[in-house]
Amino acid sequence: ETGVTQSPTHLIKTRGQQVTLRCSSQSGHNTVSWYQQALGQGPQFIFQYYREEENGRGNFPPRFSGLQFPNYSSELNVNALELDDSALYLCASSDAGAQNQPQHFGDGTRLSIL
Amino acid sequence: QKEVEQNSGPLSVPEGAIASLNCTYSDRGSQSFFWYRQYSGKSPELIMFIYSNGDKEDGRFTAQLNKASQYVSLLIRDSQPSDSATYLCAVNVPPGSARQLTFGSGTQLTVLP
Repeated sequence: ETGVTQSPTHLIKTRGQQVTLRCSSQSGHNTVSWYQQALGQGPQFIFQYYREEENGRGNFPPRFSGLQFPNYSSELNVNALELDDSALYLCASSDAGAQNQPQHFGDGTRLSIL
Repeated sequence: QKEVEQNSGPLSVPEGAIASLNCTYSDRGSQSFFWYRQYSGKSPELIMFIYSNGDKEDGRFTAQLNKASQYVSLLIRDSQPSDSATYLCAVNVPPGSARQLTFGSGTQLTVLP
């Protein structure tokens, strides 16, 4: 069974640029959640996608947006990058029918903003 | 008040000792509780989850949940140097809103050989 995969592994951008991060969900999982983890902090929930629609959002500005595709894979887009966006971005997938199912993370994308 | 609080540590224990990690949460409606281990530069790895009051054991790990006191703990018996990592406590938000994990800031554990 294939787990959650994320790409790219590392990314370097400059302020003001835009970035797209990708996540392939675990087989059989229809929900994808994105988290941002700044250095020394716990992950912070960005948003969740289910049936190709945003299904909950954390305290992040609109320049953080996402997509989910029919195969349940997902993208996280960040516009107008700021230095504080430097972080590890994590994706987790789950089955919406299993409310308390533990979430497993992909290896993450480390984004550095110069 | 933070929703999920952990002692940031660092916590140091000698090899073979019991490491005790604690976490408190603010939302009484929380129903699901998770412990993740994160090695430096890596993503969090799920090691335990617990839904009911009491203890849950898995190998050297025991999760303890007390909903009345709103705390969850993780005990690591016979600690090994390979257990040295940051341990993250996470709580599911209650039903009725989007399922999401709220994390504490983590406790850094060092097991000394």
